[in-house]
Amino acid sequence: QVQLQESGPGLVKPSQTLSLTCTASGDSINIGGHYWNWVRQHPGKGLEWIAYISYSGRTYYNPSLKSRVTISVDPSQTQFSLKLTSVTAADTAVYYCARSFRYTSGLYAMDVWGQGTTVTVSS
Amino acid sequence: DIQMTQSPSSLSASVGDRVTITCRASQSITTYLNWYQQTPGKAPKLLIYAASSLQSGVPSRFSGSGSGTDFTLTINSLQPEDFATYYCQQSYSTPITFGQGTRLEIK
Repeated sequence: QVQLQESGPGLVKPSQTLSLTCTASGDSINIGGHYWNWVRQHPGKGLEWIAYISYSGRTYYNPSLKSRVTISVDPSQTQFSLKLTSVTAADTAVYYCARSFRYTSGLYAMDVWGQGTTVTVSS
Repeated sequence: DIQMTQSPSSLSASVGDRVTITCRASQSITTYLNWYQQTPGKAPKLLIYAASSLQSGVPSRFSGSGSGTDFTLTINSLQPEDFATYYCQQSYSTPITFGQGTRLEIK
């Protein structure tokens, strides 16, 4: 069973770029049928989907963040990353990586999650 | 974007109670609806996928139903570990969207 672990700086200055990595263990990211997501949760708030990347490298972004977000897969196929540019205090949140598993019906659901990493944007 | 609206936003119940949480989509999503449970400080956990299919390892007291725009999550015989926040999520189209959450508290 794949396990996911987020890593990256816990503190980012305003206007800088937030960079996070999600490392998969127990399985490769390069497996057909799955998508690999970033989701965030502002303090005391609900869940916000940021983006996902397919096993083939196709990317999908939340329009609300699309101009600032890049998601990519490492050639090692064990990591995928998130870059969020021009951050502000509004980007302070817990960031999760998650796998979207493709069920036989064609539906995707996020069945494996990292533990989350807290990112604070502050000078 | 498809808006997901949960009700209630919070509810209080006792161990052993049966509770129902509702999720409504702003347009039809057929059965492309998932439910998650989140406890404080933890990542969300998938409970139900495709509106009514129980994720492996999830207790059978959890069940889901619905299609189109209206969905429910039912928890029978509440256990202490069930007091958490529950989210619905549509995977019908991008952007993926979640409901605002329903906080289930101990009465």
